[in-house]
Amino acid sequence: TQLLEQSPQFLSIQEGENLTVYCNSSSVFSSLQWYRQEPGEGPVLLVTVVTGGEVKKLKRLTFQFGDARKDSSLHITAAQPGDTGLYLCAGDSGGYQKVTFGTGTKLQVIP
Amino acid sequence: DVKVTQSSRYLVKRTGEKVFLECVQDMDHENMFWYRQDPGLGLRLIYFSYDVKMKEKGDIPEGYSVSREKKERFSLILESASTNQTSMYLCASSLGGLWGTEVTYEQYFGPGTRLTVT
Repeated sequence: TQLLEQSPQFLSIQEGENLTVYCNSSSVFSSLQWYRQEPGEGPVLLVTVVTGGEVKKLKRLTFQFGDARKDSSLHITAAQPGDTGLYLCAGDSGGYQKVTFGTGTKLQVIP
Repeated sequence: DVKVTQSSRYLVKRTGEKVFLECVQDMDHENMFWYRQDPGLGLRLIYFSYDVKMKEKGDIPEGYSVSREKKERFSLILESASTNQTSMYLCASSLGGLWGTEVTYEQYFGPGTRLTVT
């Protein structure tokens, strides 16, 4: 079973600070997704990375896929209260489009 | 935009009741999934379906069954609800197969059903 470990598990920061969330595995993935989930809602897809070393930007969010396609990071610049939520990474885990979800990072941005 | 809807946002059932959770997607996606999400345990796959009438067990299928009679609809059934099935249930769909030159694994989730079994 492929495992995706995320760190840190919890993060509480002040508005305006920068932060990085990590997603690590010993397995190679053909693609990796990042989702954000707000309390009481389903996860919402933020981005997909598919090429080793790839960097994608979504406003203040920067996503990077590791060169070996085993890990990924999410960097948020000047965090806002609206960034609060649970961040999940997910990688493909075999046939039929199944994915393995990471353990999650719960982010709280304090105004 | 992909839309995945779930029949209820909140549900309270008694132990032993048969429970149906319905999920509908409007994007002609091949694959549909049922997960449960519990604090400290993350998202766990219960069942998934890659085609009409086809289903595969996920990581925690015990106590659950599913039905997919139409492409857009995927139902999760708790045959005899128990208190340890109290959880947040999430349905998702994905396109499946090749999209352009890439295989896509992107999943689109519904808002979830918070089920409480008393």
